[in-house]
Amino acid sequence: ETGVTQTPRHLVMGMTNKKSLKCEQHLGHNAMYWYKQSAKKPLELMFVYSLEERVENNSVPSRFSPECPNSSHLFLHLHTLQPEDSALYLCASSQENRDREGEKLFFGSGTQLSVL
Amino acid sequence: EDQVTQSPEALRLQEGESSSLNCSYTVSGLRGLFWYRQDPGKGPEFLFTLYSAGEEKEKERLKATLTKKESFLHITAPKPEDSATYLCAVQGWGDYGGSQGNLIFGKGTKLSVKP
Repeated sequence: ETGVTQTPRHLVMGMTNKKSLKCEQHLGHNAMYWYKQSAKKPLELMFVYSLEERVENNSVPSRFSPECPNSSHLFLHLHTLQPEDSALYLCASSQENRDREGEKLFFGSGTQLSVL
Repeated sequence: EDQVTQSPEALRLQEGESSSLNCSYTVSGLRGLFWYRQDPGKGPEFLFTLYSAGEEKEKERLKATLTKKESFLHITAPKPEDSATYLCAVQGWGDYGGSQGNLIFGKGTKLSVKP
């Protein structure tokens, strides 16, 4: 496999469920990201794991919990979600170098999440 | 505050009818401006990175240009397979300690090309 792989592609869950989204990158990158894409809204950065540091958007609710066990794998743990959390969740990776110009992100195909 | 505004929101073209998409931005020190293409149900696919005003890049029927305040994505003689949502994003040096993933995205322009 090549690129960035996300599973599952689709997920339907109730508000009391606990589920996890998985992402794996096969590009040898050193940074991974979670983005949220809602209808009619721009992509919103949720979490970054870069150079062994975690950076997060302070507006993300605590019902979303990321985990990055190594530079190739990234998880997003979900619990007690709300219907407004229904969206496309995208994982991305890049080769980070803070002293240089921006490098492009490589995105996975996303997990389409529906919260009932 | 860094910001990206894309226009138009939607654009319908006939095959072969050239046009341009606009991306206006404000950023505290531009680290890079990015164009992505996104097909329905898929993640964004990278097209171009522009770093400084005056820079231009081309790929097949697409050409991206950059000024100090905006970027244009020119589409020459488009085909139906060019139909997609085109996203613009900027990255500034001051965001989140410089991490490259901190792209500020616009809402996108949905392009439809009819045969």
